Amino acid sequence: GENVEQHPSTLSVQEGDSAVIKCTYSDSASNYFPWYKQELGKGPQLIIDIRSNVGEKKDQRIAVTLNKTAKHFSLHITETQPEDSAVYFCAASRTDTGRRALTFGSGTRLQVQP
Amino acid sequence: KAGVTQTPRYLIKTRGQQVTLSCSPISGHRSVSWYQQTPGQGLQFLFEYFSETQRNKGNFPGRFSGRQFSNSRSEMNVSTLELGDSALYLCASSPLATGDQETQYFGPGTRLLVL
Repeated sequence: GENVEQHPSTLSVQEGDSAVIKCTYSDSASNYFPWYKQELGKGPQLIIDIRSNVGEKKDQRIAVTLNKTAKHFSLHITETQPEDSAVYFCAASRTDTGRRALTFGSGTRLQVQP
Repeated sequence: KAGVTQTPRYLIKTRGQQVTLSCSPISGHRSVSWYQQTPGQGLQFLFEYFSETQRNKGNFPGRFSGRQFSNSRSEMNVSTLELGDSALYLCASSPLATGDQETQYFGPGTRLLVL
């Protein structure tokens, strides 16, 4: 089955700096890669996703890049703000089966220092 | 649209009991998936339902089961509870069975504590 590794497990940055979180996956058939943000006491919230036919996707301060050959994808947050502090999860799945089993990374706790 | 709702939000049970958790997907969403979140194992896929049929199942014992109703609402049941079943149980819904509609939207979860 799929295995997703996520690094780092914790990340502390100063407000205004950039943050980068990296994930690698094992199943070359995986073609859908979402990123979720989870705040304390809440469920994961989708912040951005990318499909394998796209190399990069941006949404305001958030961007995701995908390298299919190396089987890794990254989340980039620019101009970080204190409200970006949360746990971030990457995930991977394959859509050819029509099934929706996401395999998650272990999470990155991001702390943005004001 | 209202988001995914889960009830109850918190639950305390004792070992050996059983529990039923409920999930109402986003209106129009027909696929419902369940995940277990623990500090040690992270987020793990339990099962997925579409059109009242279980389409996929994760690596969990048979004590974990679920069902989906004709209105897409779903329930999951855990029988003979063990201490290790203490976790946040998350429900996620997505709109279509096939194609590019893969996005899953999560509810707030039900936090289960087994004593």
